[in-house]
Amino acid sequence: ILNVEQSPQSLHVQEGDSTNFTCSFPSSNFYALHWYRWETAKSPEALFVMTLNGDEKKKGRISATLNTKEGYSYLYIKGSQPEDSATYLCASYNTDKLIFGTGTRLQVFP
Amino acid sequence: ETGVTQTPRHLVMGMTNKKSLKCEQHLGHNAMYWYKQSAKKPLELMFVYSLEERVENNSVPSRFSPECPNSSHLFLHLHTLQPEDSALYLCASSRASGRALGTQYFGPGTRLTVL
Repeated sequence: ILNVEQSPQSLHVQEGDSTNFTCSFPSSNFYALHWYRWETAKSPEALFVMTLNGDEKKKGRISATLNTKEGYSYLYIKGSQPEDSATYLCASYNTDKLIFGTGTRLQVFP
Repeated sequence: ETGVTQTPRHLVMGMTNKKSLKCEQHLGHNAMYWYKQSAKKPLELMFVYSLEERVENNSVPSRFSPECPNSSHLFLHLHTLQPEDSALYLCASSRASGRALGTQYFGPGTRLTVL
């Protein structure tokens, strides 16, 4: 059974704080790691797709790193804003399936 | 957010009812997906369609019946559901199925409650 684990489950930070969370995935038969951002009552929105060990992607204040040998990815948010409040999902493509984690729910307070 | 639309957004049904969920994508994609998300669980893939052919059925009970009449539309027909089927049902599309790098574009989901 392939499991993708995300931690923490939820996170509350103050506006301006930087934060990060983790996605752990199976390293065997790994092809790609996807990050999605999901605001309440909206559609999940793709953030990054990463494939290579050591990959680093950036989109504004959000960045992600990938370690395929040990099977983890970090998502970083610099200077969190209230509009960053959302659930951040990661999904690992292993063999022939995209397996999702349960997400990290981030709340940023003004 | 008009790339993938889903209707209805909310649905309440009894166990003996028959209802359908509709998904439409305006992105010119060839693959469409149904996912289920139950409380505190990850997204579970239910069905995959590629060029209107079902390519994956993840041991989903027959009370869920998908239909893909063309590459832009996907339906999920529901009948004699159980209360444990209450969940958020998400539709997604991508350029092709089975591609590791292929981003999936999601609809906003239908919140289903079975009484």
